[in-house]
Amino acid sequence: DAGITQSPRHKVTETGTPVTLRCHQTENHRYMYWYRQDPGHGLRLIHYSYGVKDTDKGEVSDGYSVSRSKTEDFLLTLESATSSQTSVYFCAISHGTGGDGPQHFGDGTRLSIL
Amino acid sequence: DAKTTQPNSMESNEEEPVHLPCNHSTISGTDYIHWYRQLPSQGPEYVIHGLTSNVNNRMASLAIAEDRKSSTLILHRATLRDAAVYYCILGGTASKLTFGTGTRLQVTL
Repeated sequence: DAGITQSPRHKVTETGTPVTLRCHQTENHRYMYWYRQDPGHGLRLIHYSYGVKDTDKGEVSDGYSVSRSKTEDFLLTLESATSSQTSVYFCAISHGTGGDGPQHFGDGTRLSIL
Repeated sequence: DAKTTQPNSMESNEEEPVHLPCNHSTISGTDYIHWYRQLPSQGPEYVIHGLTSNVNNRMASLAIAEDRKSSTLILHRATLRDAAVYYCILGGTASKLTFGTGTRLQVTL
């Protein structure tokens, strides 16, 4: 158990509403990541964080924002959800110093936007 | 970003070794080679990673070609629980991972 908790695990919401997903870690690791996974595809990086208040974009960051006000929590926000953001979202943390280490993933959040 | 190429699917019999290949001809000198697997309805699980030398852990072995343009993940005795999608990924800065579509491994009795 890598000490990662994602909440909520499932959510159904309507187009245009704001949505926030939370990733919580108990490992005190510096690096945290948000990915999305769509059917038949591998994971794609949305945003990542390399420390408190330090974040950067991944390959599919449009329509998403993140915040990290403390080491243990990394929040992903969809300001105005669209149907194209229906997906499974995974959070991950990195054990390695400098980020060059393996990542450990949470169990995912299944988000449906109607 | 350097890319990897893997077969879409492979089959194995239970209790036999499995060799999962990966080509990464454009790998840079600082890219680590990572392997993850994803069981149905679960998040990816770290398997192994290496830079130049072959690596072993309790889950698998990683054989890296001398020119680093290919690698092979070796499961020494496949079990039904090893049925999953296996991803070969080149790890960049900040350990950002770029997942492809992986190899779906089927294990049969």
